[in-house]
Amino acid sequence: GNSVTQMEGPVTLSEEAFLTINCTYTATGYPSLFWYVQYPGEGLQLLLKATKADDKGSNKGFEATYRKETTSFHLEKGSVQVSDSAVYFCALSPSYGNNRLAFGKGNQVVVIP
Amino acid sequence: GAVVSQHPSRVICKSGTSVKIECRSLDFQATTMFWYRQFPKKSLMLMATSNEGSKATYEQGVEKDKFLINHASLTLSTLTVTSAHPEDSSFYICSARASSRGGNEQFFGPGTRLTVL
Repeated sequence: GNSVTQMEGPVTLSEEAFLTINCTYTATGYPSLFWYVQYPGEGLQLLLKATKADDKGSNKGFEATYRKETTSFHLEKGSVQVSDSAVYFCALSPSYGNNRLAFGKGNQVVVIP
Repeated sequence: GAVVSQHPSRVICKSGTSVKIECRSLDFQATTMFWYRQFPKKSLMLMATSNEGSKATYEQGVEKDKFLINHASLTLSTLTVTSAHPEDSSFYICSARASSRGGNEQFFGPGTRLTVL
């Protein structure tokens, strides 16, 4: 079946540090890949997406590249801000059926001033 | 574009009462809406998939008689938690897929915090 694996545990880092959150997936065919962000007390917002291999999604300084050879979609940001503190979810949507999203467990990111 | 709203954003109710949560796509038509439940510090758990004009498809382990879903129009789906109990307290999030846009992107509502006393 389709599944998404995110690195374990929260991520705590200082302002202006480099952020990487790992995401790998298992899927048949050619899924679309997403990163969602959830700020405290709010719903999910789409951060970026990629729909085919080698696509790079980018938004608000965040980037992720769809790597089919390594089945990965790691999220990166070169210089984080306190306002980036949130929970980040990696997700995939298969290219068939009713396109149900499969989510990773999420990573809490805390940026310290 | 592609805005999804939920109402109410927060609700507190007594045990045994029923609560209705609305999910609306404001600027697009959604043939499919999804209902999720999120426990504290946990990922989203898909509860059911709702298609306009037909019965919802529930995930394994989700009681369809307890969580009633109605998708009466292309812009509105409702989730009713019947005879709510404290263990139903959670954050409920809906999402909608735009029928006209094609593709497979879902747009999420802001969520509804349910607290059952």
